[in-house]
Formats: sequence, structure tokens, C-alpha cells
Amino acid sequence: AQSVAQPEDQVNVAEGNPLTVKCTYSVSGNPYLFWYVQYPNRGLQFLLKYITGDNLVKGSYGFEAEFNKSQTSFHLKKPSALVSDSALYFCAVSLPTDSWGKLQFGAGTQVVVTP
Amino acid sequence: DAGVTQSPTHLIKTRGQQVTLRCSPISGHKSVSWYQQVLGQGPQFIFQYYEKEERGRGNFPDRFSARQFPNYSSELNVNALLLGDSALYLCASSLVYSAESYNEQFFGPGTRLTVL
Repeated sequence: AQSVAQPEDQVNVAEGNPLTVKCTYSVSGNPYLFWYVQYPNRGLQFLLKYITGDNLVKGSYGFEAEFNKSQTSFHLKKPSALVSDSALYFCAVSLPTDSWGKLQFGAGTQVVVTP
Repeated sequence: DAGVTQSPTHLIKTRGQQVTLRCSPISGHKSVSWYQQVLGQGPQFIFQYYEKEERGRGNFPDRFSARQFPNYSSELNVNALLLGDSALYLCASSLVYSAESYNEQFFGPGTRLTVL
């Protein structure tokens, strides 16, 4: 069975410092990987995806993520965090054999950026 | 352009009642998916519909059902509500359903269901 793990419930970082949110996955086959962000009382907003190709993907709002097949990881990064990046971040995985609508999400990581 | 819209925003029901949640996809989007997000957890896939047909189903009991209309809007129905059904229900739409190409999903703001 496929699964997605976000090992940190919360990540605290000072504004201007690098931000990393970790994600590891366990699937059979070649997964498609996604990051979404959720602000309070809002739906999920798409940040970036890895489908195929370059392992380093760039997304919205200055975020990027690196696909590491050997470590089965897809960590989200931002070189310089902003207070406005404070939100709940979800990693998600999908298999090509699955319905495109079927995303499996991790439990989420709360990011707190302090001024 | 309007994004994915969901109604109602909030809903309070009692155990044993039935509820219907509604979703309107982005104009031109033909695929709709439903997710349940319990507080403190990630969203869990419930259903995907495309062209009025069910294309995927998650691990939810038969109390959960859905349908898609000719205008591609969708309803999620939950019968015999339990306290554990209290959650944020998210709808997502995408342009098409295809196994060969990726179509980004756009999420609505959700419906907050509270079961007392």
C-alpha cells in the first residue's frame, strides 16, 4: 500500500532563513508527487509537482522541491522564508495507474515563520 | 474566472441525519473529486467523477455517495451521519480525466460539516 509521511508536525523558522519541509513516500511503481499549501479556512493551493524529468522542480511563491528516488523523498524548500509562508503544507502522491483525482496526502506540516 | 465553489460553507447536523454537499467546478473542467479532511489530518480521497461516471472510489462506507450532473457540477451525499463524519469536505476539479497526462487539480474552500 502506498503511503506518504511528513515526519515533522511543525517547523519553526525565522524570517529570511531557509525553510525545509520533509516528505518521504512508499509506493510501488513510479509516483507522481505534489506539494499543496492550506491557509486557515481555505482550500488547498497547488505549489508544485514532479511528474518526470529534472529532479529539481520549481513552483509557486519561490518554492522548490527535489525528487530523490533512492531516498524516496520529495522535500520542499524555500531559500528565504517569509512570515506570509506560515501555513499548513501537505505532500501528496499519485500513481499513474490510479485515477488522476486520487491523491494520497500526508498528515501535513505546520510551518511557523517568525519575524 | 471563478474558482471551484462549494456550498454550503458550514453545516451542522445531528447523528443519523443525511446531508448533501454541492460543488461547482471551474468553467470547462469536467472532472470532480471529493476529499474528506478530518481536523489534524491530511485530506482523504472519497470519489472522482468524470463525464457523470464514477472513475475512482476511496475507502469509505456505502453511506457516502456522489453524482455528477450534465453541467459537471457534483453532489456528495452522506447518509446516517456519525460523529466521525465531522470534517472539512473538499471538492477539486480538473480539466479532463486522462491516464496519459497530468491535469492539475484545483480545490474549493470546502464545506465544514459538524455532526452533533
